[in-house]
Amino acid sequence: SAVISQKPSRDICQRGTSLTIQCQVDSQVTMMFWYRQQPGQSLTLIATANQGSEATYESGFVIDKFPISRPNLTFSTLTVSNMSPEDSSIYLCSVAGTVVEAFFGQGTRLTVV
Amino acid sequence: SQELEQSPQSLIVQEGKNLTINCTSSKTLYGLYWYKQKYGEGLIFLMMLQKGGEEKSHEKITAKLDEKKQQSSLHITASQPSHAGIYLCGADPRKWNAGGTSYGKLTFGQGTILTVHP
Repeated sequence: SAVISQKPSRDICQRGTSLTIQCQVDSQVTMMFWYRQQPGQSLTLIATANQGSEATYESGFVIDKFPISRPNLTFSTLTVSNMSPEDSSIYLCSVAGTVVEAFFGQGTRLTVV
Repeated sequence: SQELEQSPQSLIVQEGKNLTINCTSSKTLYGLYWYKQKYGEGLIFLMMLQKGGEEKSHEKITAKLDEKKQQSSLHITASQPSHAGIYLCGADPRKWNAGGTSYGKLTFGQGTILTVHP
């Protein structure tokens, strides 16, 4: 199984600022994803982080708000830009295993005040 | 899009009791994942089912996928306080590619909150 490290694990940020979340995997993976989990809700896919090209965003999510980088096969970042209290959520990165599993990082708990 | 409905939304049981959580899809499931989440934390992978009628077990947790591949159940035997958390089912809406590799892009149910009283 893949070991995924996310940083930071939690943060409290002022509205209008930006936060970059890092996701590091202990092995090379083809597919990496970013999810959002709003308070009391299930997970919603934000985007697929593509290595060497622009991320693919799901409906309702845009690059200006959630820019994503994927410089190599073991690392990705998600930035939450110009934050508002509505962005308070848990943000999780996920990777697809080489067989069938899909693993998640421990999440970043973001509170915007 | 694939809709996943979990039931019940919450469950409170006494330690030692058995329990079942269900996950129903509006479409055929090509991959059904079960995860456990502690409050405010990441997801712990439990099991993944692919084939109709498939059943997998890990310690006291058993997951099944029905023959029509539209419903899955997660059963916990002799529950313990350590089983408490949020259980989420997730589905990969796409078919396996020729190599049988999951894309890992999942749609989730709304989750079931499990409380186990000592």
